[in-house]
Amino acid sequence: DAGITQSPRHKVTETGTPVTLRCHQTENHRYMYWYRQDPGHGLRLIHYSYGVKDTDKGEVSDGYSVSRSKTEDFLLTLESATSSQTSVYFCAISESRLAGEGDTQYFGPGTRLTVL
Amino acid sequence: KQEVTQIPAALSVPEGENLVLNCSFTDSAIYNLQWFRQDPGKGLTSLLLIQSSQREQTSGRLNASLDKSSGRSTLYIAASQPGDSATYLCAVSGAGGTSYGKLTFGQGTILTVHP
Repeated sequence: DAGITQSPRHKVTETGTPVTLRCHQTENHRYMYWYRQDPGHGLRLIHYSYGVKDTDKGEVSDGYSVSRSKTEDFLLTLESATSSQTSVYFCAISESRLAGEGDTQYFGPGTRLTVL
Repeated sequence: KQEVTQIPAALSVPEGENLVLNCSFTDSAIYNLQWFRQDPGKGLTSLLLIQSSQREQTSGRLNASLDKSSGRSTLYIAASQPGDSATYLCAVSGAGGTSYGKLTFGQGTILTVHP
């Protein structure tokens, strides 16, 4: 299994509070991703990073920010949590390879976030 | 906007059957396609990755095919076992530039294999 950990694994918070989720990898992979998984919507990309301090938005980025100051850590912040952000959040990593070789994404165990 | 559809949404089969899961996508400009497995309450496990230039990939009892021009992929599971019970997800990756690595997922097929 790829060395990916997410913390915390479970969190309950109240509307309006800031929340930061952490993804840590030991694989030294260049690309890191944050997804959310919701019934009826499946998995959707929130933000991704293609290197230290290089990030970009995904499909559902409103209300979220990210930071990557080290290769191994990718943080997802909800500046002011809302009930619509109750979800399971997954981090993923992939390694850039030569063009044409494809690139597998490996997923972390997930963080279950409940916003009351 | 890329859309990925998986059929059927759920499938229940007796142990030992061979089965096929289907995935279709609307934009054929993909870099690769991945099949994942997800057990309840767990993260995703990558099963197979097919590059856009390939037609199929095999791993053990699993075989995945890709017809990029028609926007279809199938996952074939031979001699199914109760341990194969899980949700199977199909995802396509954008083709290069700012789309690189961005996966668009289907809703998944929930597979139950009963003894």
